[in-house]
Amino acid sequence: GENVEQHPSTLSVQEGDSAVIKCTYSDSASNYFPWYKQELGKGPQLIIDIRSNVGEKKDQRIAVTLNKTAKHFSLHITETQPEDSAVYFCAASKGPNFNKFYFGSGTKLNVKP
Amino acid sequence: NAGVMQNPRHLVRRRGQEARLRCSPMKGHSHVYWYRQLPEEGLKFMVYLQKENIIDESGMPKERFSAEFPKEGPSILRIQQVVRGDSAAYFCASSPGLTSGRTDTQYFGPGTRLTVL
Repeated sequence: GENVEQHPSTLSVQEGDSAVIKCTYSDSASNYFPWYKQELGKGPQLIIDIRSNVGEKKDQRIAVTLNKTAKHFSLHITETQPEDSAVYFCAASKGPNFNKFYFGSGTKLNVKP
Repeated sequence: NAGVMQNPRHLVRRRGQEARLRCSPMKGHSHVYWYRQLPEEGLKFMVYLQKENIIDESGMPKERFSAEFPKEGPSILRIQQVVRGDSAAYFCASSPGLTSGRTDTQYFGPGTRLTVL
């Protein structure tokens, strides 16, 4: 089965700095990679996703990059704000049904004002 | 604009009791997924259901756990004879069916936090 590893487990940055979270996956057939943000006591919220037919996707301050050859993908948050503080999870799944997500262990991001 | 709804949000049970968790998918979604999250860990897939069908239950423990998604009403995750190790947050997610839209994206509910005393 698929194995997703995520690093770092904790990340502390100063407000305005950038944050990068990295994930690797083991199954070369995986082709869908969502990122979720989870605030304390809440469910995971989808913030961005990428499919294997593209190498990069950007949405305002958030971007995701994918390297299929190396089997790793990364989340980039620029101009961080205190409200970005949360736990971030990467995940991987594969078509055609995408029914099972394999999650990383999470990164706790702390943005210091 | 209701998202995925789960209830109860918090559930306390004593060892040996039954826990029943409910999930109502987003409007128009016909696929439901259940995940379990232990403290300080990522989410682990349990089961994937469509209306009246279990499609993939490869993540479900072989005993005491069952899930259903009836033709009418919410999806139910049922845990019989709970033990302390069942204490966790249980999340439900939903996605549109093949004929309705994208099947890849899953939207999560707020979760049910189960505590077994």
